[in-house]
Amino acid sequence: RKEVEQDPGPFNVPEGATVAFNCTYSNSASQSFFWYRQDCRKEPKLLMSVYSSGNEDGRFTAQLNRASQYISLLIRDSKLSDSATYLCVVNALYNQGGKLIFGQGTELSVKP
Amino acid sequence: ETGVTQTPRHLVMGMTNKKSLKCEQHLGHNAMYWYKQSAKKPLELMFVYSLEERVENNSVPSRFSPECPNSSHLFLHLHTLQPEDSALYLCASSQDRPRQGARPSSPQHFGDGTRLSIL
Repeated sequence: RKEVEQDPGPFNVPEGATVAFNCTYSNSASQSFFWYRQDCRKEPKLLMSVYSSGNEDGRFTAQLNRASQYISLLIRDSKLSDSATYLCVVNALYNQGGKLIFGQGTELSVKP
Repeated sequence: ETGVTQTPRHLVMGMTNKKSLKCEQHLGHNAMYWYKQSAKKPLELMFVYSLEERVENNSVPSRFSPECPNSSHLFLHLHTLQPEDSALYLCASSQDRPRQGARPSSPQHFGDGTRLSIL
């Protein structure tokens, strides 16, 4: 089983649509969680951290379910500029300390 | 302007060449990382340095040799690479110090990457 698993997509949606990405992780000792965004041929950039109570940043809402080891990202009213690959990232605790584990990414394409 | 700068942006080299990738961070962070990103695969952590000390080597072949002279600079020396080493190499930095038993590190800031092609 992969340590962090995402649906690779691509998700093709029209402008204005609501889209949800799911992510599961295998290490129950994971302590912090993030969503990164990566544009084509660019570096990953932090989109938002994910908190246990769930958190929202404008059109973006992140949820965490520790019991199910599941993280989600909801994008409302999608814009063309939201087209990118969204990376689920889990910071797991190992003997050597914390380590960021990246999912494969989910590709989103927003069309006019 | 990105807080993490990588050079060169693109590199094409033969299997017998020796080259180095450079990373510089301007954020005052104390940990730096090398990642490899191949097509259709997740980011793979290669090396972690904390205050110039290597704290993790993720079973990376010896043809990749990292060097961290200070907390702001990180190099990846390359020699006798293989075609399967062609990938995007990303440098990142973070504020926290990754140490055993400690709370995991904060989010990382990435450089633009070096796109490496091995002929």
